[in-house]
Amino acid sequence: DAGITQSPRYKITETGRQVTLMCHQTWSHSYMFWYRQDLGHGLRLIYYSAAADITDKGEVPDGYVVSRSKTENFPLTLESATRSQTSVYFCASRGLNIQYFGAGTRLSVL
Amino acid sequence: QQQVKQSPQSLIVQKGGISIINCAYENTAFDYFPWYQQFPGKGPALLIAIRPDVSEKKEGRFTISFNKSAKQFSLHIMDSQPGDSATYFCAASLIYSGYSTLTFGKGTMLLVSP
Repeated sequence: DAGITQSPRYKITETGRQVTLMCHQTWSHSYMFWYRQDLGHGLRLIYYSAAADITDKGEVPDGYVVSRSKTENFPLTLESATRSQTSVYFCASRGLNIQYFGAGTRLSVL
Repeated sequence: QQQVKQSPQSLIVQKGGISIINCAYENTAFDYFPWYQQFPGKGPALLIAIRPDVSEKKEGRFTISFNKSAKQFSLHIMDSQPGDSATYFCAASLIYSGYSTLTFGKGTMLLVSP
């Protein structure tokens, strides 16, 4: 299917565990983004990538790691999950001036 | 520092009424102002966008009004329908200046009552 897909859709983990959220896009867009959405804070940029092997920090990067070895994939890793990282995570890619968002991953850290 | 301020946080409008959401920005270099619509359980999707050289853009029932001197822009939804109930985000960018990221407002939850 064409588009941008995130997996898993829902994830429950425990404090201190490593968690990886996956993002895959089929358009070959150069730019990809990770956001977190929290009530009262809207969408906040965690990391973004301009191309394979090029990544940069956004507004709230602490506690997160990204990689981009292939254009179509942009995984987000929480190296040691904390309760404050409970959130809904959205991946996006950019075509022309439009950001296309995935359906999100709802992560709960207990 | 929040660069895009959005109001109100929530809004209830009767069916057929006009919904108005306002945003204010600080960086006068912003050159692209999109609005995104998000339904529950879905990711945001582009609704309509404007550049600062235009004062108004209309697409169907959705209109962006842009006031460059006041550094404000707003979304008007005419003849609001229950299907318009969603969260709306304004955003701003330096996209035509070569920057890739969007700065989002905090969102407005719109409920259109039948």
